[in-house]
Amino acid sequence: AQTVTQSQPEMSVQEAETVTLSCTYDTSENNYYLFWYKQPPSRQMILVIRQEAYKQQNATENRFSVNFQKAAKSFSLKISDSQLGDTAMYFCAFTPLSSGSARQLTFGSGTQLTVLP
Amino acid sequence: EAQVTQNPRYLITVTGKKLTVTCSQNMNHEYMSWYRQDPGLGLRQIYYSMNVEVTDKGDVPEGYKVSRKEKRNFPLILESPSPNQTSLYFCASSRQKPYEQYFGPGTRLTVT
Repeated sequence: AQTVTQSQPEMSVQEAETVTLSCTYDTSENNYYLFWYKQPPSRQMILVIRQEAYKQQNATENRFSVNFQKAAKSFSLKISDSQLGDTAMYFCAFTPLSSGSARQLTFGSGTQLTVLP
Repeated sequence: EAQVTQNPRYLITVTGKKLTVTCSQNMNHEYMSWYRQDPGLGLRQIYYSMNVEVTDKGDVPEGYKVSRKEKRNFPLILESPSPNQTSLYFCASSRQKPYEQYFGPGTRLTVT
């Protein structure tokens, strides 16, 4: 079974600053995907970024980037130039790719990020 | 517009009264899933379906049923709702690749 841990229930950052959200996971799988989802007050789940475990290069999407450390089973999200619209709950999620895994998506408990003006 | 829709968005019901939450996707996705979200627990998978007529239990299936008679629809059925099923429910779908799931807008269910 997979577990995903987000140890920071709440974080805050000043507008235009950089913030890093932590995520660790536990799995015996070798091939998998990791995701960061954003849930703003509207409750909609929005995909922020995706990382494939077999790729060593860290994924980036505009102001969002990850630090993927496979050996340490760590997957942190860095948000640069934080904006007020980044205020949301952020979830780290894991899905294995092995046959028969059915691509279950396991979520962490979330980090509530508040961007301060 | 590519999307996952859920209905109703809000529902208040009483213990024991059967209800169905519908989920539909227009992206021809094979995979569909239901999650519940509770404070401090993140999202937990209830049931999932790899394709038509193929469904299986997730992490918290007790008290729920699903069916997948058509590729686009994946309803969630609560035969006898109880207060501990009060939660925010999400339906999601995805293709075989690139694996990320697309979520519906959520259904806020309250069972009194």
